Amino acid sequence: KNEVEQSPQNLTAQEGEFITINCSYSVGISALHWLQQHPGGGIVSLFMLSSGKKKHGRLIATINIQEKHSSLHITASHPRDSAVYICAPHGNQFYFGTGTSLTVIP
Amino acid sequence: EAQVTQNPRYLITVTGKKLTVTCSQNMNHEYMSWYRQDPGLGLRQIYYSMNVEVTDKGDVPEGYKVSRKEKRNFPLILESPSPNQTSLYFCASSLTGGPSDTQYFGPGTRLTVL
Repeated sequence: KNEVEQSPQNLTAQEGEFITINCSYSVGISALHWLQQHPGGGIVSLFMLSSGKKKHGRLIATINIQEKHSSLHITASHPRDSAVYICAPHGNQFYFGTGTSLTVIP
Repeated sequence: EAQVTQNPRYLITVTGKKLTVTCSQNMNHEYMSWYRQDPGLGLRQIYYSMNVEVTDKGDVPEGYKVSRKEKRNFPLILESPSPNQTSLYFCASSLTGGPSDTQYFGPGTRLTVL
């Protein structure tokens, strides 16, 4: 049973394109995290959301708690954005999506 | 620099040979956790610790042991490794383990059990 579904699983974009990654979850949560995993394997936390919208540079994350859905947007994508993006809702524990693998081509 | 360190980064071993993967954090975090990551399955929690001497099972604890004798260290022990434990392992820590806390991840340990 998958508590977290991400789409798409794989995404290839041209540099400069606007990118959207979607996350739907079935569990009750208090917060949702977006993580970034680079090809070398390291994982860093990008956002923590409990409501509404957050923006860090070219990254924007939104969440709709009632609809159990979150999106991660990347504006003006760049090859250095190439990574796996993982959605991680947190209720009584962390749940993890399987990730969206993004490749941005120059 | 605030960080979570893991050692070793890469390990190839044979079935049944006990091994320990160390994890240390320098942020005085109460909460520490171990995850394994396998293709198509995402991150799965093995064990976690809310504080010194307090540990609990995650979703996939079979075949693993942990201890938390000091706040900064949280080693993962495989008493008798088997090939199905071949995986990429991550240690993580956060201030209290609360839903809003940022998790800091170690660099990962790639384990191969032959």
